[in-house]
Amino acid sequence: DVKVTQSSRYLVKRTGEKVFLECVQDMDHENMFWYRQDPGLGLRLIYFSYDVKMKEKGDIPEGYSVSREKKERFSLILESASTNQTSMYLCASSTIRTSLGAYNSPLHFGNGTRLTVT
Amino acid sequence: AQKITQTQPGMFVQEKEAVTLDCTYDTSDQSYGLFWYKQPSSGEMIFLIYQGSYDEQNATEGRYSLNFQKARKSANLVISASQLGDSAMYFCAMREGRLTGGGNKLTFGTGTQLKVEL
Repeated sequence: DVKVTQSSRYLVKRTGEKVFLECVQDMDHENMFWYRQDPGLGLRLIYFSYDVKMKEKGDIPEGYSVSREKKERFSLILESASTNQTSMYLCASSTIRTSLGAYNSPLHFGNGTRLTVT
Repeated sequence: AQKITQTQPGMFVQEKEAVTLDCTYDTSDQSYGLFWYKQPSSGEMIFLIYQGSYDEQNATEGRYSLNFQKARKSANLVISASQLGDSAMYFCAMREGRLTGGGNKLTFGTGTQLKVEL
């Protein structure tokens, strides 16, 4: 089974702090993603990466950056945390190596990090 | 315009009854994939079922089936014989566009909270 591990389940940070959210997957997946989940808004994509050192902005990248130095690890960075970044953060990975190409490849999610910025 | 629309914020169903969760999507691509995920109160995201845009048959996985109506751009999830353990948030998602680089992401709807009652 694919395992996607997020380093923290709960995190409390102060406004202005630099925050690192770490995610590791063990299935040699090419793609990794960071989403945030807010009530009534569903999951919104922050950033994703399709290869080492490659990244693309998602729908809500403002205030965030990412790093992918190794294939298995994808980090989300809040340069200066703000209260409106209080949210559940979900990391996911997927592969393009499926029998029908990558359209049917599901995302495998970690258990999430609930971040509170005070 | 919303890419994925789930119009039912909350649904109730009696145990052992069937329930349909609605999902409509918006894309101009011919090739795309549709997914449903379940998120119990524990927070994990569980992949349930996939439907490809060229699949002629509706997808089924155990008690889950997908009512795919391409012309109407709808991909409703049907859960048969509901169980208490089906109580969860359900998300519809779509993958569209090119499959290299930025084309592997999923766009999610806002979710439907399902409660199964005795």
